[in-house]
Amino acid sequence: DGGITQSPKYLFRKEGQNVTLSCEQNLNHDAMYWYRQDPGQGLRLIYYSQIVNDFQKGDIAEGYSVSREKKESFPLTVTSAQKNPTAFYLCASSLGGASYGYTFGSGTRLTVV
Amino acid sequence: GESVGLHLPTLSVQEGDNSIINCAYSNSASDYFIWYKQESGKGPQFIIDIRSNMDKRQGQRVTVLLNKTVKHLSLQIAATQPGDSAVYFCAERNPGTYKYIFGTGTRLKVLA
Repeated sequence: DGGITQSPKYLFRKEGQNVTLSCEQNLNHDAMYWYRQDPGQGLRLIYYSQIVNDFQKGDIAEGYSVSREKKESFPLTVTSAQKNPTAFYLCASSLGGASYGYTFGSGTRLTVV
Repeated sequence: GESVGLHLPTLSVQEGDNSIINCAYSNSASDYFIWYKQESGKGPQFIIDIRSNMDKRQGQRVTVLLNKTVKHLSLQIAATQPGDSAVYFCAERNPGTYKYIFGTGTRLKVLA
């Protein structure tokens, strides 16, 4: 079955550490996105990529980094510069950018300990 | 479970009743709208969409209504079931951009 897979489901980070969240899709979608979800707020866009080897900052990119070396993969690194990283992170993909709705992964819950 | 549902408005309905969930969107130029369902600890799932040249669209047990005059979107769920319990949120798309704007959501609780 085609889908989008995020791992791990739960992740704990110590202060000062960088952590990487994985996102893999086998839907042959060109565009991929990372969102952050906090209680009582709508999804906020961190980074997005319309094509391999290209990506753009979203609304809250500070403290995060991404890469898009393969069409199927769009990992997100939460760096130590992100001061409030505890959140639920969602990866999504779509066929052609905003022309279609998104398929979301199941999310990664990141907690700073 | 996830805490994403905290602080959200909650709609409680009896099993078998109809549910109506509302969403006020922000941009009168938005041309495409989606309703998502998010269960605890999971990613959002597409429910139904509607384009701005339509007022109503029906799916299986769900209907979306669009009122462009007041920038209002609603999701109607017929014969609500326990499996419908989740957070529901809308998304609006600005034409010609890569971005969707997502609403904060409404928690639907189905009472047995």
